[in-house]
Amino acid sequence: SQQGEEDPQALSIQEGENATMNCSYKTSINNLQWYRQNSGRGLVHLILIRSNEREKHSGRLRVTLDTSKKSSSLLITASRAADTASYFCATAVGGIYSGGGADGLTFGKGTHLIIQP
Amino acid sequence: GAGVSQSPRYKVAKRGQDVALRCDPISGHVSLFWYQQALGQGPEFLTYFQNEAQLDKSGLPSDRFFAERPEGSVSTLKIQRTQQEDSAVYLCASSPRLVAPGELFFGEGSRLTVL
Repeated sequence: SQQGEEDPQALSIQEGENATMNCSYKTSINNLQWYRQNSGRGLVHLILIRSNEREKHSGRLRVTLDTSKKSSSLLITASRAADTASYFCATAVGGIYSGGGADGLTFGKGTHLIIQP
Repeated sequence: GAGVSQSPRYKVAKRGQDVALRCDPISGHVSLFWYQQALGQGPEFLTYFQNEAQLDKSGLPSDRFFAERPEGSVSTLKIQRTQQEDSAVYLCASSPRLVAPGELFFGEGSRLTVL
């Protein structure tokens, strides 16, 4: 089962514009992560935000986390054609590996972002 | 190696055949995960190893799926008597951490097509 749900499912913007993607999840988390996946490739980690953090920045990326609403957003500023990819949020539930399906990351279905040159 | 390596990248199998997918994690990474990604979907957790111990296999969809990591490094995911619904990309990821992830380092995946 997938815990996170990204919104929108697809997003097309012009190069240079900002892109915002949202993620909602269902259960309490240890941390939330965002990954990028280019077509036919593996996932690449972008940023991790812990449950006690509200905002985090990394280069052109800004992530927010609202644990009361069980939601997160990823903002990519000054988008580039190379940012075209699928973006997934993923939640980590357990504090220690304990089995029962709580050990891995739980991914959403992703947002497909297209940057028009 | 520099990253997580998976082989084969592409595998076509006839329904009923057995397949084996290999994962070489980053050297020294104790945690290893297998995920299944259907077309247009996010990755779904299959199983987790801590060194050679398989601590969680709750995501394996049936008893046709079997994974091992006998020496705590290379892992193999085996699918017996493949079915068309097994067609997906199988992703392997590793982590140096023993506690809840942590950034995962993914391989490029093995795309399985069952005819």
